[in-house]
Amino acid sequence: QVQLVESGGGVVQPGRSLRLSCAASGFTFSSYGIHWVRQALGKGLEWVAVISYNGNHKYYADSVKGRFTISRDNSKNTLYLQMNSLRAEDTAVYYCAKVAREWLDVTDASDIWGQGTMVTVSS
Amino acid sequence: QSALTQPASVSGSPGQSITVSCTGTSSDVGGYNYVSWYQQHPGKAPKLMIYDVSNRPSGVSNRFSGSKSGNTASLTISGLQAEDEADYYCNSYTSSSTLVFGTGTKVTVL
Repeated sequence: QVQLVESGGGVVQPGRSLRLSCAASGFTFSSYGIHWVRQALGKGLEWVAVISYNGNHKYYADSVKGRFTISRDNSKNTLYLQMNSLRAEDTAVYYCAKVAREWLDVTDASDIWGQGTMVTVSS
Repeated sequence: QSALTQPASVSGSPGQSITVSCTGTSSDVGGYNYVSWYQQHPGKAPKLMIYDVSNRPSGVSNRFSGSKSGNTASLTISGLQAEDEADYYCNSYTSSSTLVFGTGTKVTVL
């Protein structure tokens, strides 16, 4: 079945780095854009970034621009989020989410979501 | 980019209809027909309920419908059922080529 599985979360000190991964299965990964969305405990959803199906287009929320980098390896069916200069306010569950329609990215809704991976930034 | 504005809570009795609003600006909700709605139960990942303002994905009940007028989008749930109790978030494309979520609405079935 169509599935996304995030990994790489954990506890990290402020100012340090962390890389999240999102492994995809059950669909043609190279045909779909993928979003990262995060949610702090007890708070609402916050869009983080999106990458196009071929990796040529990347868009970021202002809150992470310059610190986070989204990338993908279509040969490994895997999405990444490199997070640098982490801050306490980056503490959240991070979800990867597949766009619903082929070849679209930032304009499209997300029809499949992973279960999320928790990132805690604390000294 | 500021979050879209949603009411914190909306409630209704079983069988009733309720509407959740989502207010933005002409740079997001009002400027594009790329508004989507997500349902989230506690401890679960969000589920897509409506995309492109008013389209329902396959498998989503036709009790859920979406619309837009000016800078405000709306999600209507008709024939409210116990399993509809959840948090609901709107989402819109913006003129900055980004996405923005709403503040979220807790729907309670009385």
